[in-house]
Amino acid sequence: DTGVSQDPRHKITKRGQNVTFRCDPISEHNRLYWYRQTLGQGPEFLTYFQNEAQLEKSRLLSDRFSAERPKGSFSTLEIQRTEQGDSAMYLCASSPPPKLARETQYFGPGTRLLVL
Amino acid sequence: GNSVTQMEGPVTLSEEAFLTINCTYTATGYPSLFWYVQYPGEGLQLLLKATKADDKGSNKGFEATYRKETTSFHLEKGSVQVSDSAVYFCALSAHTDKLIFGTGTRLQVFP
Repeated sequence: DTGVSQDPRHKITKRGQNVTFRCDPISEHNRLYWYRQTLGQGPEFLTYFQNEAQLEKSRLLSDRFSAERPKGSFSTLEIQRTEQGDSAMYLCASSPPPKLARETQYFGPGTRLLVL
Repeated sequence: GNSVTQMEGPVTLSEEAFLTINCTYTATGYPSLFWYVQYPGEGLQLLLKATKADDKGSNKGFEATYRKETTSFHLEKGSVQVSDSAVYFCALSAHTDKLIFGTGTRLQVFP
């Protein structure tokens, strides 16, 4: 079990540029989640996938944000035309298929984005 | 909507002191409740969870009991160590599987 991995760990970009983050979930976890965490706050839900299907998107996810999970394995989160307000830690989590109760989500180390 | 409220930090304690971090929630139905911990420089880790009323989650000496009557899930530890210094997040999941987090409580333990 190698855990959830995210790449890159840090990204500095200029306002208006596009950025893409990658998340590799724990193998055999069919659910994958994206969250955003700003300084001093708890993580906020952005979107989640079950296999390759995107099942829910938060209102926080503006039109500039898009997420994909081709083939139900890794996922990418793209932010177009970045703004300074996008600066945050972007967290990915995965969980196994649910049984009787909601399964634990396992978090990656996050990608810290700074928009200048 | 669903929400989680945690006591503000930082909480500063001496080693071996008793710890309580308060957490209350608002949710419809029967949410599952979680405590996650974030050690300095590391990612979020599940500390403990409870999935129904009166369940007690426990791990590494930490405990929390799911109290539906008071909509609470307070985190306790009888004797904290310096290595427990971290940020603690209370969270819930309700109708969908997304987690709703509180703002976090920073714990600082001094020798």
